[in-house]
Amino acid sequence: DADVTQTPRNRITKTGKRIMLECSQTKGHDRMYWYRQDPGLGLRLIYYSFDVKDINKGEISDGYSVSRQAQAKFSLSLESAIPNQTALYFCATSEGGGTDTQYFGPGTRLTVL
Amino acid sequence: GQSLEQPSEVTAVEGAIVQINCTYQTSGFYGLSWYQQHDGGAPTFLSYNALDGLEETGRFSSFLSRSDSYGYLLLQELQMKDSASYFCAGGGPDIPTFGRGTSLIVHP
Repeated sequence: DADVTQTPRNRITKTGKRIMLECSQTKGHDRMYWYRQDPGLGLRLIYYSFDVKDINKGEISDGYSVSRQAQAKFSLSLESAIPNQTALYFCATSEGGGTDTQYFGPGTRLTVL
Repeated sequence: GQSLEQPSEVTAVEGAIVQINCTYQTSGFYGLSWYQQHDGGAPTFLSYNALDGLEETGRFSSFLSRSDSYGYLLLQELQMKDSASYFCAGGGPDIPTFGRGTSLIVHP
């Protein structure tokens, strides 16, 4: 079984809809991250969490919110989706800080019409 | 904050050696990592340099020079399956910052 799973893998939605992307990990790590990937822009950090009670905004948090339901679960929500949120979204986890290996989920491809 | 610059695309032929460079500017830097991402897939960790010098892992090597704020990933004996995007990532104390990625195209 994969260490980091994401659901759904693909989602097409309409402008204004609320969307939740879910992430679960079995590595037992405290740190979890949500990234957005757009062509030519690399991986940009949306939110990160160092433990269940610690959630931080990343580089591009506007329009997004997160929930850390448990050590193993970290969800990303788009309260009112807009077309420029169409992207590939990755969840990741790491054991420690910025230099530690990031383990990525398979990604969620989101299309907002 | 941190910013990392890498070429957008590199091409090479099968069996050759290719080097992907990464320069960085940072107010706090703990090390440089490299990740590989095949089209449509998840990024996967390749290597990490905390200290100056060369780290070798099979056909892949990574180099760091802190004094030059520069690193590179060296891929030897290129194979078609090495066609992918490669990201450098600068590690701060808490979170990494990723470069925009280099698309490596390997031709037969």
